[in-house]
Amino acid sequence: DTGVSQDPRHKITKRGQNVTFRCDPISEHNRLYWYRQTLGQGPEFLTYFQNEAQLEKSRLLSDRFSAERPKGSFSTLEIQRTEQGDSAMYLCASNVWGDTEAFFGQGTRLTVV
Amino acid sequence: AQSVTQLGSHVSVSEGALVLLRCNYSSSVPPYLFWYVQYPNQGLQLLLKYTTGATLVKGINGFEAEFKKSETSFHLTKPSAHMSDAAEYFCAVRTPGNQFYFGTGTSLTVIP
Repeated sequence: DTGVSQDPRHKITKRGQNVTFRCDPISEHNRLYWYRQTLGQGPEFLTYFQNEAQLEKSRLLSDRFSAERPKGSFSTLEIQRTEQGDSAMYLCASNVWGDTEAFFGQGTRLTVV
Repeated sequence: AQSVTQLGSHVSVSEGALVLLRCNYSSSVPPYLFWYVQYPNQGLQLLLKYTTGATLVKGINGFEAEFKKSETSFHLTKPSAHMSDAAEYFCAVRTPGNQFYFGTGTSLTVIP
């Protein structure tokens, strides 16, 4: 068990570019979550999957954001036409339905310049 | 609806002194409560959790927290602060739908 893995750890992009992040959950974890954390704030829920189904999306997830988990294993989060306000740490977490806690990855820090 | 309030965005203590980080929650159902710690540019690590049963829960690194239903609180304590405790601490509540809501965090500074 290597824990939740996120790639890349850091991403610097120019405004208007598209970016994609990857999350590999702990093996056999059927629930996968995406959170966004801005400076000085706690993580804010974006969306979550149970297996390949995206069950809920936050209002924070604008049309420029899309998340997928095509085979119920790894997940990708894409941001199109990035804006400076998208600069944040994007955290992925996973667990098994019924688990009491979620296990977090180390995050991808996005900087939009 | 569930929410979490952490009182004090910054707390400073001397090395060896008591650490007290405050967390109050609101929940329409019996809550599951958590404390996570985050070191710079890292993800969140679980310190401890309350689900059911004993209201005083012990976690890693000497931390403990007490669930007080009457006060809707889940304050985090450690008898003696260590330099390595300097980090950001987040209180969180889990909904019945297995989603987590976090407070805004408390940054702990330990003064040598």
